[in-house]
Amino acid sequence: LAKTTQPISMDSYEGQEVNITCSHNNIATNDYITWYQQFPSQGPRFIIQGYKTKVTNEVASLFIPADRKSSTLSLPRVSLSDTAVYYCLVGYNNNDMRFGAGTRLTVKP
Amino acid sequence: DGGITQSPKYLFRKEGQNVTLSCEQNLNHDAMYWYRQDPGQGLRLIYYSQIVNDFQKGDIAEGYSVSREKKESFPLTVTSAQKNPTAFYLCASSTTRGRTTYEQYFGPGTRLTVT
Repeated sequence: LAKTTQPISMDSYEGQEVNITCSHNNIATNDYITWYQQFPSQGPRFIIQGYKTKVTNEVASLFIPADRKSSTLSLPRVSLSDTAVYYCLVGYNNNDMRFGAGTRLTVKP
Repeated sequence: DGGITQSPKYLFRKEGQNVTLSCEQNLNHDAMYWYRQDPGQGLRLIYYSQIVNDFQKGDIAEGYSVSREKKESFPLTVTSAQKNPTAFYLCASSTTRGRTTYEQYFGPGTRLTVT
């Protein structure tokens, strides 16, 4: 059974870099890894998407090793407003796609 | 503005009643999805549709029904057969560009409370 696994929670301090890892052993060969951010009582918001190696945009970086069995979302210099739940979404064979259970990030002053 | 809308934001129903949640998108997306989220939990897929007049069950389809008569609309009905309907319901849409997992755009959600 396909499973997308993330840590339940993480704590950080303002200005630090935060790395959140997602495990996806059986990712489909042609599929991408996508990360979302969600604030309470809101819909998730797209952060970044990648297939392999490294992807960077204005808010985050995504690191994907050659075997693609995991991926790491990197948030540089977090602020209090980055406190949220972060989800990875991965596609598996037979059009099966799975969100991880989410990582609750708490940024402290 | 392009986007995806859900209405209402809050919905209250008595046990035993069916209720329909609205989801509309003007992004010209082919695919639409319904998720359920319980407090402190992740997103679980209820139903999805990749094209008009076609939809597939997700992981927790029992007690729910959908229709996809128009590209823009994907309403979800929570039936009386759903044993624990109180939850936060999220609708999403995405393009289909030959990848299995696409960037999904989410609506603001509907919080359903059944008593």
